[in-house]
Amino acid sequence: DQQVKQNSPSLSVQEGRISILNCDYTNSMFDYFLWYKKYPAEGPTFLISISSIKDKNEDGRFTVFLNKSAKHLSLHIVPSQPGDSAVYFCAASATGANSKLTFGKGITLSVRP
Amino acid sequence: DGGITQSPKYLFRKEGQNVTLSCEQNLNHDAMYWYRQDPGQGLRLIYYSQIVNDFQKGDIAEGYSVSREKKESFPLTVTSAQKNPTAFYLCASSIQQGTNEKLFFGSGTQLSVL
Repeated sequence: DQQVKQNSPSLSVQEGRISILNCDYTNSMFDYFLWYKKYPAEGPTFLISISSIKDKNEDGRFTVFLNKSAKHLSLHIVPSQPGDSAVYFCAASATGANSKLTFGKGITLSVRP
Repeated sequence: DGGITQSPKYLFRKEGQNVTLSCEQNLNHDAMYWYRQDPGQGLRLIYYSQIVNDFQKGDIAEGYSVSREKKESFPLTVTSAQKNPTAFYLCASSIQQGTNEKLFFGSGTQLSVL
C-alpha cells in the first residue's frame, strides 16, 4: 500500500517558467513533509520541508504548499532553471518513536533551455 | 566537513556471494538508515538503527543484514539470499529517529550482479 504517491512520473517545463510537482498521501497521521532532489548516481539532498501546522513554506525559488484536507502537497519552483533538472522525491513522516520517513516514487523534472 | 561516506561507489557481486557496503558518518547522528532505489521506484527502507547495538527491519529486510557496533558506522551486508540485489543503495542518518528531523544521505553504492 503506497502511502505517498507521486502520480506523474515526469514533467517538462521551459526555462523561466513555473514547475509544479504534486504529491498525495493517504496516512492522516503524517505531520511532516519533505522534498528531496536527486541527481543520477548521487544521494538525495534535502530541499524544503513543511510541518502540518503550516500551509505554506518558502525558501528562495522553492515553495511548498500543504492542503491537509485534501492530503495533498505541491512544490513550486519559480523560475525554473536547467540545473533544476533532477528527480524530486516527496517524503512524509508522523511524529512518534517508531516513525519512519516514507518516500514517493519520484518525479523526473526536465527544464528545457 | 561533516557528512556521510559510502564505499565503494560501484560493487559487483557473483552468484552466491555475500558483499558488504560501508557507511560512515561524522555528524554525530544517533539514527542511521539503509535504503534501496530501483529504477522508477521510490526509496525503500531496508534497515534502520536508532542507537548503537540496536537495529530494526524496514520494509524489505529479507536477504540483508546489518550491524551497529559503533555510532559512526552502519554496514549493510547483501547476502546470497537476496535474489535481486542489483540496485542503488543509499545510506542516511538523522539526529534522532522519529522526531521529524530530515535525513542526510550519502552518495550511494551501485551494486550489480555478474
